[in-house]
Amino acid sequence: AQRVTQPEKLLSVFKGAPVELKCNYSYSGSPELFWYVQYSRQRLQLLLRHISRESIKGFTADLNKGETSFHLKKPFAQEEDSAMYYCALNGAGERAQKLVFGQGTRLTINP
Amino acid sequence: KAGVTQTPRYLIKTRGQQVTLSCSPISGHRSVSWYQQTPGQGLQFLFEYFSETQRNKGNFPGRFSGRQFSNSRSEMNVSTLELGDSALYLCASSAGQEAMTTEAFFGQGTRLTVV
Repeated sequence: AQRVTQPEKLLSVFKGAPVELKCNYSYSGSPELFWYVQYSRQRLQLLLRHISRESIKGFTADLNKGETSFHLKKPFAQEEDSAMYYCALNGAGERAQKLVFGQGTRLTINP
Repeated sequence: KAGVTQTPRYLIKTRGQQVTLSCSPISGHRSVSWYQQTPGQGLQFLFEYFSETQRNKGNFPGRFSGRQFSNSRSEMNVSTLELGDSALYLCASSAGQEAMTTEAFFGQGTRLTVV
């Protein structure tokens, strides 16, 4: 079964504190994983993909196949990071498109 | 480069009616996929089209259908609407088969309310 689990619906941290949004997946095969973000009144947009192994807006995510996890981390949270975050898995294999989303985590950064 | 455009932005329909939603992908993108977003079920994949052919399908009843035209624009149709079909319908486009990346670019969505 293809499934993405984000255990926290809501996460609230103070500005400057570290942030970790958890994501676990279930997929037989080599997964292609993403983090999407939706800021207030904006469309859903890609934040990170595990293939690129880059840091965007200070966020990083490492694929841990042993733990089937793809947690999103940022060492120092900023107020502009407040948004809805979705972990997603491409369940169709490379070059095709079938995203399986987690339920999302609403991140609030308190001043 | 213009983003993914969905029309209309809002729709109100009556139970039993049918509805057609439209999506114009980013220029040059050949893959268009559709998602349903509801508070209870979250974001769920409906189907994906590539070069006018349905390439992947989610677990939705046959009342949900779609098509893609030669210019990559896509339409989604829901027949015999039910109250539970009320949702935000999102369209996403991606480069498709020629590119290794499968990054999906999303539209603003169409908010469908069934009364």
